[in-house]
Parts: sequence; C-alpha cells; structure tokens
Amino acid sequence: GAGVSQTPSNKVTEKGKYVELRCDPISGHTALYWYRQSLGQGPEFLIYFQGTGAADDSGLPNDRFFAVRPEGSVSTLKIQRTERGDSAVYLCASSLGGSMSDTQYFGPGTRLTVL
Amino acid sequence: GESVGLHLPTLSVQEGDNSIINCAYSNSASDYFIWYKQESGKGPQFIIDIRSNMDKRQGQRVTVLLNKTVKHLSLQIAATQPGDSAVYFCAESTTDSWGKLQFGAGTQVVVTP
Repeated sequence: GAGVSQTPSNKVTEKGKYVELRCDPISGHTALYWYRQSLGQGPEFLIYFQGTGAADDSGLPNDRFFAVRPEGSVSTLKIQRTERGDSAVYLCASSLGGSMSDTQYFGPGTRLTVL
Repeated sequence: GESVGLHLPTLSVQEGDNSIINCAYSNSASDYFIWYKQESGKGPQFIIDIRSNMDKRQGQRVTVLLNKTVKHLSLQIAATQPGDSAVYFCAESTTDSWGKLQFGAGTQVVVTP
C-alpha cells in the first residue's frame, strides 16, 4: 500500500517568503507528526495531531511556524517570513492510532532551502 | 535538557559480521524506545521497538537490548549485509508525551566487503 507522501520533495525559497509543505498520511492513520531534520542530526519533533486537533505543538520553534489538519487527513506545515536557519528536511510521519507503541511511519521528507 | 545520544558516530563493519550500535539516554521517565534506520535521501524506517518493562526483544536479524539501570540501549544486527549501510537512530518517548519522539544524533554504519 501507499506510504506517507510529502510534497514538494524540494523547495527553494528566499528569505522572508512564505512556504507551505504538504503531508499525505497513510490512509486510515489518525495520528500525524511533523519533525525537522538538520544535516547530520536526528529528527527534531515539531508537532503532532490526533485527528484534526494538535495534541502537542511544543516543538514548534516560534510563531512563524504553524500546522493544520482540517479534515483529519492531509496536513500542511506553514512557515512565515522564512529565515536561513529554517533550511532543513521536514519530515512527516503517521501512525494508526493514538497509543505509545503505534509505529510512526515516515515520509521521504521535503528539503527546504532558504536563500 | 534530557536527551538521547549515541556513543559512536561511525561504525565500520565487515560484511557477515555482527554489528552493535549503542545509545545512551538520560530521561529516567522514558518508557518506550525505538530504533530507526535512515538511508540517504529517505525518511527513517522503523526497525524494532521495546518497552521499558522488557530488557530484550528480537526481530529478524536484529535484537534490541535495554538496560534501565545504566540507561543504555543497543541494537545488534546479525550477519551484517551491504543493505544495512545507513544511519541508525535510537528514539525514546514517555507515557506523558507518547507522540513526541526524541531522537539521538545517529550512528553511520558502513558495511565493507
């Protein structure tokens, strides 16, 4: 079956611009997660959704970052006034349900480059 | 703050040998641990997990060991193959924030012929 998909695969933008990154979770998965991975480092948690609501957004670095999941399926990560330090691979994951041992399945990521 | 980390940044292993990747964690409240494999240009791929009420779990060619006394986690890969070359991450979470995985920095495993 289809895995988690993310679009675009690569995004190059200029400092100060607004970007949207999209995540399509595995069909039927109720939980969705966003992580950010800088070169040579492990993924860093940003936010996760249970259904349509953000269950934990403690990893969002500041108010320039925002994520939505209006229908409990597709999610969009939005970054306003991008900065060069936002350059990273943004990973999305989904899991079947809302328990600790539900495996998080990751997508291939969106590589964001802010010039 | 509390974090998950790895001892060895790079591990070179001869094909057919066993690999051992180590991970230290500092959060005593962590009760769920996962190993992920990440190949270049791809997202992390689940390998195996273990809960804190266990000290060993086996999968296909992989074994995870958990030592809660010293807060240490290891991944053993039997008969390492070229396809095992990747970066391996340990991650942990707690019951209170189960959706929030905290990853270590990763270990690069290089399998040589």
